[in-house]
Amino acid sequence: QQQVKQSPQSLIVQKGGISIINCAYENTAFDYFPWYQQFPGKGPALLIAIRPDVSEKKEGRFTISFNKSAKQFSLHIMDSQPGDSATYFCAASITGANSKLTFGKGITLSVRP
Amino acid sequence: DAGITQSPRHKVTETGTPVTLRCHQTENHRYMYWYRQDPGHGLRLIHYSYGVKDTDKGEVSDGYSVSRSKTEDFLLTLESATSSQTSVYFCAIRGQGSYNEQFFGPGTRLTVL
Repeated sequence: QQQVKQSPQSLIVQKGGISIINCAYENTAFDYFPWYQQFPGKGPALLIAIRPDVSEKKEGRFTISFNKSAKQFSLHIMDSQPGDSATYFCAASITGANSKLTFGKGITLSVRP
Repeated sequence: DAGITQSPRHKVTETGTPVTLRCHQTENHRYMYWYRQDPGHGLRLIHYSYGVKDTDKGEVSDGYSVSRSKTEDFLLTLESATSSQTSVYFCAIRGQGSYNEQFFGPGTRLTVL
């Protein structure tokens, strides 16, 4: 059973548009939800993260929206740029001493000039 | 890059040979992780460590062993490499905050012929 599911599988957006990537989770005990960005040949980099006590978090052009009742969270990239073209992973974990991140399978975003 | 280095960065080996990948960190983090990344599977946890000589299995640990004799080094060993272990391997550390913020190394691309 996949505990964290991402959609869509791939996304193409025009420059200046809004990119929206969704993530659904199964385990209601999850209490930390990060998004990672990965460029080809590089390791994943922590982009932004949210906890369930807030419904939205914004950092620059990147916003996480969190819907606890629907068990979903999404990443919005405003004014998308070609430099945002990358693979994006959502993840979730339960806070604790030996907590582990459960990752979605990732989606590839292409921003067309 | 959170002071994480991985070596080697690329390796080609033959089926049945032993392989050891090294992860080195310079910031005295307690938790370290080994993941593998494969198309269509995202990032999957192989093993992790929560201190010197303290390790535990992840979701895809079969065929892998780990060791951590010093805080700064976490070794991943494939005792007898198989073609199914061809993958990109990432090491990660957990940050000092309360939540499971993980920071990844640059990765090792392993090809088993």
